[in-house]
Amino acid sequence: DAGVIQSPRHEVTEMGQEVTLRCKPISGHNSLFWYRQTMMRGLELLIYFNNNVPIDDSGMPEDRFSAKMPNASFSTLKIQPSEPRDSAVYFCASSFGPLPTGELFFGEGSRLTVL
Amino acid sequence: AQSVTQLGSHVSVSEGALVLLRCNYSSSVPPYLFWYVQYPNQGLQLLLKYTTGATLVKGINGFEAEFKKSETSFHLTKPSAHMSDAAEYFCAVSDHGGATNKLIFGTGTLLAVQP
Repeated sequence: DAGVIQSPRHEVTEMGQEVTLRCKPISGHNSLFWYRQTMMRGLELLIYFNNNVPIDDSGMPEDRFSAKMPNASFSTLKIQPSEPRDSAVYFCASSFGPLPTGELFFGEGSRLTVL
Repeated sequence: AQSVTQLGSHVSVSEGALVLLRCNYSSSVPPYLFWYVQYPNQGLQLLLKYTTGATLVKGINGFEAEFKKSETSFHLTKPSAHMSDAAEYFCAVSDHGGATNKLIFGTGTLLAVQP
């Protein structure tokens, strides 16, 4: 079975540009999570969805960040406008059933560099 | 609020030696605890988890962890390190006491295995 699929794997952009990261969760999973990983702050939860509905977006840094999940098989994380401090690896993860007993399955990440 | 603390951001062992990665947790409810592993340029994957029942939990690749309530610890061990164990390891606790269910990750421990 295919795992969590993220695109692009790498993105280099200039400050001020719009960035869109995409995620396809594992089929049948009903929870989706966006994490950001940096050396300074480690792994941070940005937002998570349950049955396509945003449940907790308290980790979204500011209004420049937005996330959508229009259907069960697709989610986007958008940064507009991007800034150098947004440079990080962004992970999407999905799970079946409610945490905490469910297992999180992570994608391989999207490495974003903002110049 | 739930949290985890991983002692030692870098641990180095010789091949064949004992691996011990430390994790202490703080939780206002009975904790659910997890260890995830991240290999270079990959997403995280579940090593093992403790929810209820037996306090010694066995995971993949020969790893195990013991839940000790009196010490609020969930240390990860492996009797004999292998070169392929070199990776970053994350301890996590479930934030299931509130209105949302999510995993809170520690800052990670990078394990190096010397030949």
